[in-house]
Amino acid sequence: KQEVTQIPAALSVPEGENLVLNCSFTDSAIYNLQWFRQDPGKGLTSLLLIQSSQREQTSGRLNASLDKSSGRSTLYIAASQPGDSATYLCAVLTGANNLFFGTGTRLTVIP
Amino acid sequence: ETGVTQSPTHLIKTRGQQVTLRCSSQSGHNTVSWYQQALGQGPQFIFQYYREEENGRGNFPPRFSGLQFPNYSSELNVNALELDDSALYLCASSPAAVAEQYFGPGTRLTVT
Repeated sequence: KQEVTQIPAALSVPEGENLVLNCSFTDSAIYNLQWFRQDPGKGLTSLLLIQSSQREQTSGRLNASLDKSSGRSTLYIAASQPGDSATYLCAVLTGANNLFFGTGTRLTVIP
Repeated sequence: ETGVTQSPTHLIKTRGQQVTLRCSSQSGHNTVSWYQQALGQGPQFIFQYYREEENGRGNFPPRFSGLQFPNYSSELNVNALELDDSALYLCASSPAAVAEQYFGPGTRLTVT
């Protein structure tokens, strides 16, 4: 059964710092990996999607990488801002059309 | 282009009751997936509907059931509600069964 782990569970950084969020998954048979942002009590906003054949995707200050063989992905956030404060979730899509989610990293960016 | 919408926003039910949650998919999307997110946890897959047929199911009991309509909107029905059913229920639509999923704002269900 696919298991997704995110480390750290929580992270607090000063504004302007670059940071890395980690995601690992146990079964490399995935179609894609998505990173989401979730504000408290709200739905999910898709940040980046990496197809299984890709190595990385970039959007603005965000860069996500995927190493399918080792079951790892990282989300790099450059020049963090207070508005980046949220929970970040990674999820992998399997052949059962099922998105498996990690439990998230709660990020706080301190002004 | 209208995104994924869900109704109601919040709902309070009593243990043993039944509830129906609704989801309108994004224009052009024929697939809807439902997820349950307990407090402090990641979302868990309930089931997926593709062109009005169930197309995959997670580890949820049969009292969780669903429908998809010809316009690709969907309902999630939960019978015999239990306290542990209290959660945020998320709906996601996609243009195909295996494709990027776009999430709605969720329905917060509280069972007392």
